[in-house]
Amino acid sequence: KAGVTQTPRYLIKTRGQQVTLSCSPISGHRSVSWYQQTPGQGLQFLFEYFSETQRNKGNFPGRFSGRQFSNSRSEMNVSTLELGDSALYLCASRGKVNTGELFFGEGSRLTVL
Amino acid sequence: GIQVEQSPPDLILQEGANSTLRCNFSDSVNNLQWFHQNPWGQLINLFYIPSGTKQNGRLSATTVATERYSLLYISSSQTTDSGVYFCAVDSGYSTLTFGKGTMLLVSP
Repeated sequence: KAGVTQTPRYLIKTRGQQVTLSCSPISGHRSVSWYQQTPGQGLQFLFEYFSETQRNKGNFPGRFSGRQFSNSRSEMNVSTLELGDSALYLCASRGKVNTGELFFGEGSRLTVL
Repeated sequence: GIQVEQSPPDLILQEGANSTLRCNFSDSVNNLQWFHQNPWGQLINLFYIPSGTKQNGRLSATTVATERYSLLYISSSQTTDSGVYFCAVDSGYSTLTFGKGTMLLVSP
């Protein structure tokens, strides 16, 4: 069974640009969530999607957005990139909403110059 | 929101030693997971343990939900055990709150 797949694995952008990251959950999993990891703030929740609906959103500015497609794949977008957006972005999936084990992908490492 | 504290923040061991990592949380939880973050950044699932005790090889974990703590035991540590160990909890809002992690270094 394939795990959570994230693309791209590494990317470099400049301030002001936007970026789109993709996540394919484990087959059969309908809940997808995103987390940001930085050295200063640690691992922080961004948002969660279930059945194409955003269920929860973390404390991030509106520049951070996401969506989920009917096949449960998810994308997150960050517009008007700032230096502080440099981070490891991790996607996780699970089979149920509100309960159950989360499984993480390998992450997308974003560097903003 | 729920607070998660991990201790110790750093731990240095000689190969073969045993260790105990602790995770305290401030509210009742319906999900608690332990992860090992590999050098490439991926979070590797160790245990899904909202309560009780589980064992997997040299690793075991115990969560005492009524006292709001969890322990991760590593026995006969190996250099490949090095890395950051995270405890994460979900208090019912379907999101994980992570501790700051324990950085473990096992030297040969």
